[in-house]
Amino acid sequence: LAKTTQPISMDSYEGQEVNITCSHNNIATNDYITWYQQFPSQGPRFIIQGYKTKVTNEVASLFIPADRKSSTLSLPRVSLSDTAVYYCLVGGRGNQGGKLIFGQGTELSVKP
Amino acid sequence: NAGVMQNPRHLVRRRGQEARLRCSPMKGHSHVYWYRQLPEEGLKFMVYLQKENIIDESGMPKERFSAEFPKEGPSILRIQQVVRGDSAAYFCASSQDSSGGALGNEQFFGPGTRLTVL
Repeated sequence: LAKTTQPISMDSYEGQEVNITCSHNNIATNDYITWYQQFPSQGPRFIIQGYKTKVTNEVASLFIPADRKSSTLSLPRVSLSDTAVYYCLVGGRGNQGGKLIFGQGTELSVKP
Repeated sequence: NAGVMQNPRHLVRRRGQEARLRCSPMKGHSHVYWYRQLPEEGLKFMVYLQKENIIDESGMPKERFSAEFPKEGPSILRIQQVVRGDSAAYFCASSQDSSGGALGNEQFFGPGTRLTVL
């Protein structure tokens, strides 16, 4: 199973762009990269998913280099409400039988 | 379309009692997953079920814990003879497919049940 490594915590200020990088050196060919967000006392919420290059949705962008050994979640112009823990997960169709393997996550703190 | 529902949201039990946690998946989802989050830790997979079948229980403690997902009704996570170490947030997730995160088959999480064992 591909293991992920990401910073334990990050600080930012309102209005800034935040980039959280995740390392997954052992990613397999059929693995996808998925990011979840978790607010205190709530369940994780899917943010974005990608396989290669760049993916963008209304919430974030995901950058994946050609070797796919890392990925960067980009949050544009963060607000106080973006304070949460962000998890990077790697997995694929049938690879883990459906279960998600969560790491420690990155605790993002957005200050005014 | 209602999301994943879990009840109760908070559950207090004394040591030795039983805890029953319920999860209703999103409409149209037939795959249910249970995760546990201990204080100050990340989520840990416990069990994966489809209707009437346990597919993967590799994360379940060997004793006292059981799960079911009957043909009718919610999925149930049952903890017998609870101990203080069982105090945690228990999250349920559901998906349409079993692709474990492959594109378009993400898991949707419920709000969790916070179990406190006195």
